[in-house]
Amino acid sequence: ETGVTQTPRHLVMGMTNKKSLKCEQHLGHNAMYWYKQSAKKPLELMFVYNFKEQTENNSVPSRFSPECPNSSHLFLHLHTLQPEDSALYLCASSQDLQGLNTEAFFGQGTRLTVV
Amino acid sequence: EDKVVQSPLSLVVHEGDTVTLNCSYEVTNFRSLLWYKQEKKAPTFLFMLTSSGIEKKSGRLSSILDKKELFSILNITATQTGDSAVYLCAGIYNTDKLIFGTGTRLQVFP
Repeated sequence: ETGVTQTPRHLVMGMTNKKSLKCEQHLGHNAMYWYKQSAKKPLELMFVYNFKEQTENNSVPSRFSPECPNSSHLFLHLHTLQPEDSALYLCASSQDLQGLNTEAFFGQGTRLTVV
Repeated sequence: EDKVVQSPLSLVVHEGDTVTLNCSYEVTNFRSLLWYKQEKKAPTFLFMLTSSGIEKKSGRLSSILDKKELFSILNITATQTGDSAVYLCAGIYNTDKLIFGTGTRLQVFP
């Protein structure tokens, strides 16, 4: 256990559904991240939050909508997804923005399948 | 275009073998390089390398960064079946941005 918890672990949704992924950490970290890991592709950073404020949106389509109500919780709201959005979505947190002398702790991920 | 390239893509060895995983990078404003081990789902942190030529060690794992030639290696000695995983390399640039390689899949057989 890394201290970062993601729910659900698996999710199957239709293209017209709306669902949310949840990430929670009680490590006292200030920065939280959403990553997407597709088969045979590098891990892709999607969003970065620092002290609840979004500092990075890596050209992610608007059908992915993040929410960070406090430093311990991060959500990824999903709507009208496409089959190519099927992937493992990983949440991570770090003491501060990933720079010198810090590392990120990852959750177990949510395996998302869009049908 | 910034990129991180790992090689080999996959590796199959027997227990007791020593392996070397490679990571080369072309990253603007490079700050540090990270190595992660990914078993099943959650990547776990192994090393952060910032200075060139200084080896970091943790048990049977060691890693070093060459900022002149823009690469890093991860060595695993006396491999065990529990070392089977995908090993990810990532470059940190501009303080808070991260770019990952596709990973090296290591399989260790008894």
